[in-house]
Amino acid sequence: AQRVTQPEKLLSVFKGAPVELKCNYSYSGSPELFWYVQYSRQRLQLLLRHISRESIKGFTADLNKGETSFHLKKPFAQEEDSAMYYCALFAKGNTPLVFGKGTRLSVIA
Amino acid sequence: ETGVTQSPTHLIKTRGQQVTLRCSSQSGHNTVSWYQQALGQGPQFIFQYYREEENGRGNFPPRFSGLQFPNYSSELNVNALELDDSALYLCASSAGQGRGEAFFGQGTRLTVV
Repeated sequence: AQRVTQPEKLLSVFKGAPVELKCNYSYSGSPELFWYVQYSRQRLQLLLRHISRESIKGFTADLNKGETSFHLKKPFAQEEDSAMYYCALFAKGNTPLVFGKGTRLSVIA
Repeated sequence: ETGVTQSPTHLIKTRGQQVTLRCSSQSGHNTVSWYQQALGQGPQFIFQYYREEENGRGNFPPRFSGLQFPNYSSELNVNALELDDSALYLCASSAGQGRGEAFFGQGTRLTVV
């Protein structure tokens, strides 16, 4: 069975500080990994996916198959980054997205 | 292009009652998934519909059922409501099976008293 673990419920950083939101997964195959974000009073939306290898809003995430991790990083946090972040795994086929419990990022001015 | 819309946004029901939640998928999307999100938890998969057929189900009892219509909109029905059913119910649509990218609605907040 697939599982996604986000060890931190809350992460507080100062504006301009680096951010790393941790995500570990368990799955025997080759999954697709995603980060979803939910800003205050907005719907859950896709932030980025590992296969795109892109940077969105300054965030990047690298899939480390050896460590089964997909940590989300940003070198300089901004106040508008404050939100709830969910790591999600997709195992392909007819399987659903499996979400972690989420990490609330709070960026302090 | 219209996004995923859900109705109603909030709902209060009494234990033992039945509820129907509705979802209109994003234009061009034929796959709809439903998730339950309890307070402080990530979304938990309930089931998925593809072209009007259920093709995946999470660990939820049979009193959670659904439908998908020819226009790909969907309903989630919950019978014999329990207090623990109180949660945010999310609908997500995607363009076909086997796609990890999902587009979410704003959710329906169900409170069972």
